[in-house]
Amino acid sequence: EAEVAQSPRYKITEKSQAVAFWCDPISGHATLYWYRQILGQGPELLVQFQDESVVDDSQLPKDRFSAERLKGVDSTLKIQPAELGDSAMYLCASSLGPAQETQYFGPGTRLLVL
Amino acid sequence: SQQGEEDPQALSIQEGENATMNCSYKTSINNLQWYRQNSGRGLVHLILIRSNEREKHSGRLRVTLDTSKKSSSLLITASRAADTASYFCATDFSGNTPLVFGKGTRLSVIA
Repeated sequence: EAEVAQSPRYKITEKSQAVAFWCDPISGHATLYWYRQILGQGPELLVQFQDESVVDDSQLPKDRFSAERLKGVDSTLKIQPAELGDSAMYLCASSLGPAQETQYFGPGTRLLVL
Repeated sequence: SQQGEEDPQALSIQEGENATMNCSYKTSINNLQWYRQNSGRGLVHLILIRSNEREKHSGRLRVTLDTSKKSSSLLITASRAADTASYFCATDFSGNTPLVFGKGTRLSVIA
């Protein structure tokens, strides 16, 4: 069964350092999402791609976060510099189309900023 | 801000019992989805119910939607220890708006 891949699974970094997360969606899925999930909360959307284009990045802290999906397949989310408050689970998801139908999630990257 | 609010925040039941979780939301929706998340893992889609539907079933899952009350419920029948997880409802206002997840209900099924 096809799955969304994410790496790394865990990342520990010090504040002010740069971190990067990678996501490979299910083959053929045009829409890719990055979510941030704070412990005890539900996921919150950071950025949504349709193919290589950003559809929604209204909740992405653009002073320190960036995301790209250059060839419309895999994607990278970067934080520079990391802050203590960035400690969270970063989830990637994908879906076939732009409509808000079923989303398929990867296992997530748990980030701890010290 | 989070649109859906699940109730209760936590639920503990014995194996074999039924578990009911509720989700309330604030504005009209296009559809509502339920997801499950095992500890430290990604979310798994369980069921989607559209605004013009009132009830859907999938295996041991039963979802209802009451748009007049802006609420939904997820019923898990004959619960198993493997059902232990957090359950989230997610809503969207239209096909062009992002899904908004609630804070979740943490379900513990005791064998």
